[in-house]
Amino acid sequence: VLTQSPGTLSLSPGERATLSCRASQSVSNNYLAWYQHKPGQAPRLLIYGASSRATGIPDTFSGSGSGTDFTLTISRLEPEDFAVYYCHQYGSSPPYTFGQGTKLEIK
Amino acid sequence: EVQLVQSEPEVKKPGESLRISCKGSGYSFTNYWITWVRQMPGKGLEWMGRVDPPDSSATYNPSFQGHVTMSADRSITTSYLQWSSLKASDTAIYYCAIVSGYNFDYWGQGTLVTVSS
Repeated sequence: VLTQSPGTLSLSPGERATLSCRASQSVSNNYLAWYQHKPGQAPRLLIYGASSRATGIPDTFSGSGSGTDFTLTISRLEPEDFAVYYCHQYGSSPPYTFGQGTKLEIK
Repeated sequence: EVQLVQSEPEVKKPGESLRISCKGSGYSFTNYWITWVRQMPGKGLEWMGRVDPPDSSATYNPSFQGHVTMSADRSITTSYLQWSSLKASDTAIYYCAIVSGYNFDYWGQGTLVTVSS
């Protein structure tokens, strides 16, 4: 089970966002990804392997953590960054899971 | 260009059967699992399972086992998600995706399935 916190994060453009994802057991090989999801769009991969940025993702996005505790940091929020963010574990064997999501909203 | 193109929205009645599709192009279809993800109205993403295109073998989330069937037809590079008897609680957006765990990650546009009497 992946537990994300907070459920909702209210911030202003230009601020720093820190999103947490905690696993109920260690995620093997740090197979942990982060997705951004906006209404009417498909989810977009941001981070894979806990800390590697996907192609085309700006360096304002960074992932860190290992074992059971992971963090997605957005160093400086742009207006287009307000969305729902999910962590996803794809460890040793399925079933894989998503966290319940963190909604990042404009304050 | 890698693309996963899903079938059109569906409106069905409880008890009816349904098959939705996901056609892959622009990559080697047999090299990557196709994952299916559900998003119920106002809810988060749920990993339903994945199908291996070379032999159409599938691995299911226990929460969905027995209620849906995933398959793949390599000859037409298409994966399917099907139900034999829909319930109102199946109302959701269903996404197919290539979730490789690496920097090769592509999603379909989603198929909205509405089940209502």
